[in-house]
Amino acid sequence: GAVVSQHPSRVICKSGTSVKIECRSLDFQATTMFWYRQFPKKSLMLMATSNEGSKATYEQGVEKDKFLINHASLTLSTLTVTSAHPEDSSFYICSAGDRRDYGYTFGSGTRLTVV
Amino acid sequence: QQQVKQSPQSLIVQKGGISIINCAYENTAFDYFPWYQQFPGKGPALLIAIRPDVSEKKEGRFTISFNKSAKQFSLHIMDSQPGDSATYFCAASGSQGNLIFGKGTKLSVKP
Repeated sequence: GAVVSQHPSRVICKSGTSVKIECRSLDFQATTMFWYRQFPKKSLMLMATSNEGSKATYEQGVEKDKFLINHASLTLSTLTVTSAHPEDSSFYICSAGDRRDYGYTFGSGTRLTVV
Repeated sequence: QQQVKQSPQSLIVQKGGISIINCAYENTAFDYFPWYQQFPGKGPALLIAIRPDVSEKKEGRFTISFNKSAKQFSLHIMDSQPGDSATYFCAASGSQGNLIFGKGTKLSVKP
């Protein structure tokens, strides 16, 4: 089946630094990728939708200048958390798929801790 | 109108019993209803999904029942096992493809 690889699985960074999270579709072309954020014991909240070759669409309340999303190819999307603060600490999860069949697969997630 | 309401928040079932989780939606434009299973520290994994043109879909021990007129769908886990203990999320999606998740149900299956 479809495999989505997300790296890193865990990252600890200092306040004020930037962190890049990668999401790769290993065996299929992902025309659309979604980035979600999940707080402990909470549900997944959609942050943004990225379509290959175009700008990401951010959900209301998500700062696009803080959470930079790049979807430069059909197999790679990146989320960069810029000038990270402790309140950005969370579990970030990507999903990738083909818009035509809604077959979206999730990555294994990235636990970000900002100290 | 974009909400997906999920209940119960937590569920305890004895081994061999049936686990039932319910979800309701409001947006009639939704046309894809998946269920995800998530273990701590892991991403969600697709269990089973249904589209509104059928009322029921079964895959192994997992069954989705779908009631289009009531805008409700449910997950039934037959012969529940301790290994099924996880958090389950229902979701709904429309033509844009982005998933709207329910708040999740923490299932504990007691041996």
